[in-house]
Amino acid sequence: DSGVTQTPKHLITATGQRVTLRCSPRSGDLSVYWYQQSLDQGLQFLIQYYNGEERAKGNILERFSAQQFPDLHSELNLSSLELGDSALYFCASSVASGYNSPLHFGNGTRLTVT
Amino acid sequence: GQQVMQIPQYQHVQEGEDFTTYCNSSTTLSNIQWYKQRPGGHPVFLIQLVKSGEVKKQKRLTFQFGEAKKNSSLHITATQTTDVGTYFCAGPGETSGSRLTFGEGTQLTVNP
Repeated sequence: DSGVTQTPKHLITATGQRVTLRCSPRSGDLSVYWYQQSLDQGLQFLIQYYNGEERAKGNILERFSAQQFPDLHSELNLSSLELGDSALYFCASSVASGYNSPLHFGNGTRLTVT
Repeated sequence: GQQVMQIPQYQHVQEGEDFTTYCNSSTTLSNIQWYKQRPGGHPVFLIQLVKSGEVKKQKRLTFQFGEAKKNSSLHITATQTTDVGTYFCAGPGETSGSRLTFGEGTQLTVNP
């Protein structure tokens, strides 16, 4: 168990809809990262937050947004969903904001858009 | 931008055979991290290498960081069915603010 909690585990929704994915980092970790993994593909970095502030942005679509709350949990909002948004979305956390500390991944949220 | 490439993309071996995956970066890395993702699971951190030429071992796994800090390898001796999964390397560039870039991964299948 990595200590990173993601909910829900599965999400099935229709095109055009909006969903929210939730992540609670490991106790003591201040950084939260969101990654997207499509079928049999690598991990695409979406966005990083550190202690409530956006720290880095990857290939995140304008339809997607995220935030990190004072209690350090994070939410990833996906709107105007398209079929191509179907993927596994991972949240990861680490102690520091830089990349010298390992990432601890949650179990992921599998999103299916129909 | 920084690119991290892994080869091979897929590897099928018989149980007991050795396995190696290679990771190459387009830029110098400040460190290299390796992760393993079991089928249906999430990536799990294996190890981090920081120094040029560093070699670390974890039981049957040997990790190397190249002298120029632009490449790395993971070698598994005498594979077992428990080694099945996708192995990812990831590294941040040395410049300030560089983010962690993951390779595409090597998917290992072990036939019993």
